[in-house]
Amino acid sequence: DADVTQTPRNRITKTGKRIMLECSQTKGHDRMYWYRQDPGLGLRLIYYSFDVKDINKGEISDGYSVSRQAQAKFSLSLESAIPNQTALYFCATSDRGNGYTFGSGTRLTVV
Amino acid sequence: AQSVTQLGSHVSVSEGALVLLRCNYSSSVPPYLFWYVQYPNQGLQLLLKYTTGATLVKGINGFEAEFKKSETSFHLTKPSAHMSDAAEYFCAVSDLRGATNKLIFGTGTLLAVQP
Repeated sequence: DADVTQTPRNRITKTGKRIMLECSQTKGHDRMYWYRQDPGLGLRLIYYSFDVKDINKGEISDGYSVSRQAQAKFSLSLESAIPNQTALYFCATSDRGNGYTFGSGTRLTVV
Repeated sequence: AQSVTQLGSHVSVSEGALVLLRCNYSSSVPPYLFWYVQYPNQGLQLLLKYTTGATLVKGINGFEAEFKKSETSFHLTKPSAHMSDAAEYFCAVSDLRGATNKLIFGTGTLLAVQP
């Protein structure tokens, strides 16, 4: 099994719908992150969490929310999806000082 | 605040030629620096990282990078390109010794390898 698992891998949804992207990890890391990737823009940080009780906004948090249900689970929600949220979304974990492990990504299309 | 600039969004080389992908960083604290590779329709894979110690870092698949503090650079090189190296490459900086532990990415460089 992968260290960081993202579900679903692909999703097409309609404008205005609520959608949740899920991430689970077996690394035992405290820190988890959500990034989005857009062509020509690299990866940008949406939210990050240092533990279950600690949630922080990244550089592009508007339109998104997160929930850290357990140390191993960190979900990203789009309350009302819009087309410019069409992107590739990555979850990552880190062990301070030892780098990051990324999931395989969720390709989201909002039509 | 930390940032990364990757010079050249697209780089094309011939098979067997030198690969040089440029990365400059800005950081108010000693940085941790990374190169990631993304093959088509895949996630990010760590190529190499610089934390402390030796400034020339060797990674997977024959890649290496040199941390040059005076030039605030961390360029990625490979002596001889292979067709399988065609991918997108991301440079990233982090303050892993600080409180935020955020990984800040550059905008990526798409490497094409011509036969």
